[in-house]
Amino acid sequence: QKEVEQNSGPLSVPEGAIASLNCTYSDRGSQSFFWYRQYSGKSPELIMSIYSNGDKEDGRFTAQLNKASQYVSLLIRDSQPSDSATYLCAVLYNTDKLIFGTGTRLQVFP
Amino acid sequence: EPEVTQTPSHQVTQMGQEVILRCVPISNHLYFYWYRQILGQKVEFLVSFYNNEISEKSEIFDDQFSVERPDGSNFTLKIRSTKLEDSAMYFCASSELPDRVLFSSGNTIYFGEGSWLTVV
Repeated sequence: QKEVEQNSGPLSVPEGAIASLNCTYSDRGSQSFFWYRQYSGKSPELIMSIYSNGDKEDGRFTAQLNKASQYVSLLIRDSQPSDSATYLCAVLYNTDKLIFGTGTRLQVFP
Repeated sequence: EPEVTQTPSHQVTQMGQEVILRCVPISNHLYFYWYRQILGQKVEFLVSFYNNEISEKSEIFDDQFSVERPDGSNFTLKIRSTKLEDSAMYFCASSELPDRVLFSSGNTIYFGEGSWLTVV
C-alpha cells in the first residue's frame, strides 16, 4: 500500500515568517513529487514539482527532496495571509495516478 | 490560461439515483482523470482514461462507476446507483501527456473546479 503522510496541522505562522511543511512517503520507487495548494472548497492548484534530490526554488517557494529518507518538504518564505490554505503533498509512482497526502492546513496571521 | 471545466458545480441526488458528472478537458490534452475528495479527507484517484479506454482504475472505481468520452470534447463520470458514501467533491483533470512522464517533460496535470455531489 503506497502511503503519503503529512501532519494535518494547523501550522500557524506570523506574516513574514518561513512556513515549513513536511511529507513522507512509503515507496522507494517514487519518481516525482508535487506540492498542491487547496483553498477550502476549491480544486488543488500545483505550486511546485520536484524530481531530483536537493532543493528547487521558485519565487517564495522552495521544495526539498531527500529520497534516501523518503522525505519531501516545502518552505514558504515571507508568508502572507493569502498563503493560508491546505497544502497537499502528492507522489507519482510509475503509473498514471497521483497519491495524495491528507494535507497540512497552514494559517498565516497578520 | 486554458482550463478544465466541470458541470454541474453542485448536485443533490437521492440515494439509488444515477448521476452523470461532466467535464470538458483542455482541448489539446489526451489524458483524462477523475479524482474525488470526501469532505475532510484526502484527494483520491478514481480512474485515468486515454484513447477511449480506461488505462488505470482504483479499487474505489467499482462496477457502479463508468467513464465515457461521448464526443470530441466531453468526458463524463457516471455513477449508476448512488450511495450516501458517494457524497464527495469530484475533480476532473487532464494532461497533455500521461502522468508517468511528467518528470521528463515538465508536463502537468490540470484540475477542474470540481463538482460537489450530495447524496441524500
